[in-house]
Amino acid sequence: SQQGEEDPQALSIQEGENATMNCSYKTSINNLQWYRQNSGRGLVHLILIRSNEREKHSGRLRVTLDTSKKSSSLLITASRAADTASYFCATDGEYGNKLVFGAGTILRVKS
Amino acid sequence: KAGVTQTPRYLIKTRGQQVTLSCSPISGHRSVSWYQQTPGQGLQFLFEYFSETQRNKGNFPGRFSGRQFSNSRSEMNVSTLELGDSALYLCASSPQGPLHNEQFFGPGTRLTVL
Repeated sequence: SQQGEEDPQALSIQEGENATMNCSYKTSINNLQWYRQNSGRGLVHLILIRSNEREKHSGRLRVTLDTSKKSSSLLITASRAADTASYFCATDGEYGNKLVFGAGTILRVKS
Repeated sequence: KAGVTQTPRYLIKTRGQQVTLSCSPISGHRSVSWYQQTPGQGLQFLFEYFSETQRNKGNFPGRFSGRQFSNSRSEMNVSTLELGDSALYLCASSPQGPLHNEQFFGPGTRLTVL
């Protein structure tokens, strides 16, 4: 089952624009993670935000977490063609290293 | 540090056969998780091993099994293959456990069942 649901399902923007993806989840979490996947390859970890954090930055990435609304957003600023990929949010399960992934957002950055 | 490696990268099997996939985690990582990715179901958790013990299990039939060795390398086995088992199988490793939830993924094994 998928706990996280990303929105939008697909996003197409021009190089240099910002891209915002949203994720909603259903149960309480310890942390939420964002991953990127290029064309059917392995996933690359982008950022992890813990339930007691509200915002986190990493380079051109900005992640926010609103536990009251059970939602998170990923902002990619000044996008590049190389950012074209699928982006997934994932939340931890009740115990251990069990990740529950959302369906993902397909981002296309046009040059 | 070398990343997570998976072998083989591609596999073609026929219905009814069995298959074994291998995953070598990052050195020092004791936790290995397996995921199945399909266009229809997305990314789904199969199981997680930590120090040679299965610690978590997803909702997959008993045809899917796994194990972890003392060097943390892990294998998963799928018996009596079905067409629906065609998928990208990903493994991920992490250092210790619940407090270290950043997962490092391998490139995946693409299994095609004919």
